[in-house]
Amino acid sequence: NAGVMQNPRHLVRRRGQEARLRCSPMKGHSHVYWYRQLPEEGLKFMVYLQKENIIDESGMPKERFSAEFPKEGPSILRIQQVVRGDSAAYFCASSRAPGQWGSGTSTDTQYFGPGTRLTVL
Amino acid sequence: GESVGLHLPTLSVQEGDNSIINCAYSNSASDYFIWYKQESGKGPQFIIDIRSNMDKRQGQRVTVLLNKTVKHLSLQIAATQPGDSAVYFCAEKRNGGSQGNLIFGKGTKLSVKP
Repeated sequence: NAGVMQNPRHLVRRRGQEARLRCSPMKGHSHVYWYRQLPEEGLKFMVYLQKENIIDESGMPKERFSAEFPKEGPSILRIQQVVRGDSAAYFCASSRAPGQWGSGTSTDTQYFGPGTRLTVL
Repeated sequence: GESVGLHLPTLSVQEGDNSIINCAYSNSASDYFIWYKQESGKGPQFIIDIRSNMDKRQGQRVTVLLNKTVKHLSLQIAATQPGDSAVYFCAEKRNGGSQGNLIFGKGTKLSVKP
């Protein structure tokens, strides 16, 4: 049972280039979340998506950042015209469904991928 | 502003001892709390979670305690092992907020001495 998959694991871009980060959720999961982590800090929420819908993008910078989760294929976080401040680890998480508490782990528990480490030169 | 924070940034324990990692939260509207473990170069790994209608939950070698009166959360690890060395984050989800938006604390680094 494969977990959340992210690629690439490491990405190097020069200032002004575009970065595309991909996330494939766990099998059976239809909710995807993107977080950003700076060194020595906790994760900061960016965006929450379901298939073909953005549910909450309150953590996304207003410019240069966009996210999608198409009907087919992985979720993509896109950063246009990258700047050095975009250098960070970007994590994707997925969950089965929101708002239901079962006998064990909640079905909306988020499981994380290994992350993409973006370095902007 | 409102945030989830941790009392201790680093914790060093002897192998075999019990570890206690603490977390304070400030929003009484939070209704769901999670502990994650993050090893160097990896993504956060789910450890255990707890709803606000509970005050204790046990897993394998781990126990989470929730004290809503003082808005305090703790993770207890029994018989700590070298493989437990990692950064531990608590996270909260606020009732009524987007279920996607987990608020993470800064993390506590646990070092286990052999």
